[in-house]
Amino acid sequence: SQKIEQNSEALNIQEGKTATLTCNYTNYSPAYLQWYRQDPGRGPVFLLLIRENEKEKRKERLKVTFDTTLKQSLFHITASQPADSATYLCALRASNYQLIWGAGTKLIIKP
Amino acid sequence: EAQVTQNPRYLITVTGKKLTVTCSQNMNHEYMSWYRQDPGLGLRQIYYSMNVEVTDKGDVPEGYKVSRKEKRNFPLILESPSPNQTSLYFCASSLFGGNLNEQFFGPGTRLTVL
Repeated sequence: SQKIEQNSEALNIQEGKTATLTCNYTNYSPAYLQWYRQDPGRGPVFLLLIRENEKEKRKERLKVTFDTTLKQSLFHITASQPADSATYLCALRASNYQLIWGAGTKLIIKP
Repeated sequence: EAQVTQNPRYLITVTGKKLTVTCSQNMNHEYMSWYRQDPGLGLRQIYYSMNVEVTDKGDVPEGYKVSRKEKRNFPLILESPSPNQTSLYFCASSLFGGNLNEQFFGPGTRLTVL
């Protein structure tokens, strides 16, 4: 079955450093992948979308890569700030207009 | 302000008592969807709707009903709630159903079924 894995353990990063989150998938060949941010008690908020023919996408301090050979996407936040602390979710498009979601990785940026 | 609204935000109920969670969007989006989120699991889709009067089952539709009589509204109905439906529920919408579009999420409804 299709499966998406994100690090279940929280990621602790020192302020100013680059945070890197991983999204791995199996049994799947998605056309694109999306990343969302979710704060406690709130709905996810869209951050970036990357297509299968794109290796990299950037938006301000955010960068996403997509390696269809490794079946992996990496999400980077450069010059991280405490305000970046949140849970980050990745989602892949399924074949029937549905998204399959990872469980998310909690990112903690320490001052 | 462009947004997805859900009501109620919190609900505690008892087994078997029918309930409805409302969802409304003001962005003229065609695609709407309901998800549940449980600890350690990703968002799981319950039902989705590509447009008015068009609804389809997601991955976990058992025990739920939906309707899409108007473009802006997509209520989630639990005819006979059970404790295993205790969860955090999110409504989402996007411009089209192709999923190339970002999804906009509501604030969530935390449901407890006793």
